[in-house]
Amino acid sequence: EVQLVESGGGLVQPGGSLRLSCVVSGFTFTNYWMTWVRQAPGKGLEWVANINQGGSGKQYVDSVKGRFTISRDNTKNSLYLQMDSLRVEDTAVYFCARPGIGRGLDIWGQGTVITVSS
Amino acid sequence: DIVMTQTPPSLSVTPGQPASISCKSSQSLLDSDGTTYFYWYLQKPGQSPQLLIYEVSSRLSGVPDRFSGSGSGTDFTLEISRVEAEDVGVYYCMQAIHLPWTLGQGTKVEIK
Repeated sequence: EVQLVESGGGLVQPGGSLRLSCVVSGFTFTNYWMTWVRQAPGKGLEWVANINQGGSGKQYVDSVKGRFTISRDNTKNSLYLQMDSLRVEDTAVYFCARPGIGRGLDIWGQGTVITVSS
Repeated sequence: DIVMTQTPPSLSVTPGQPASISCKSSQSLLDSDGTTYFYWYLQKPGQSPQLLIYEVSSRLSGVPDRFSGSGSGTDFTLEISRVEAEDVGVYYCMQAIHLPWTLGQGTKVEIK
């Protein structure tokens, strides 16, 4: 079964850090770019970052550039999002997703909740 | 950034009736490789989003054929030929031709 499972969410103070993980199974991880998407409470979806198969190519939305780092460990079938200098406006559910149909996100995790609050 | 504008923001539909959602992009989504990088997603209540339509009009395997996508360039439409109760949720369009990938604000579909 194809599956993405996120973890690492929680409550953090503004300025703090968190590292999200996404463990994948059921497909050959090294064949795919991977993506993080977030959804603020009651709001729509926002693309956050992409990473290529080898990990050398990374793309970010401007609002997280310099603060978030996407990475992957292909030996562990895992995707990560290191979030530093967190802001209240980073509060959201964070989903990992696979752009498996061209750039269409065909597989999604269940999401992990990040709350940035003092 | 490319702005994706969806209309209407919400839709209340009688089961069995059709529904249509429009999405307009601020720039053409047709790439020089001939691909139009435009997608439709549905987020059912309490669930993660799911891909319905890719590259304007191709249905993902398993998506009922009552869903169809059309359009070109900057104007796109998702049509549901006969809405069923399981179709409720928020529909999003997304472009992936230019960074940052951007999504519409969503169209909430409810059943009357």
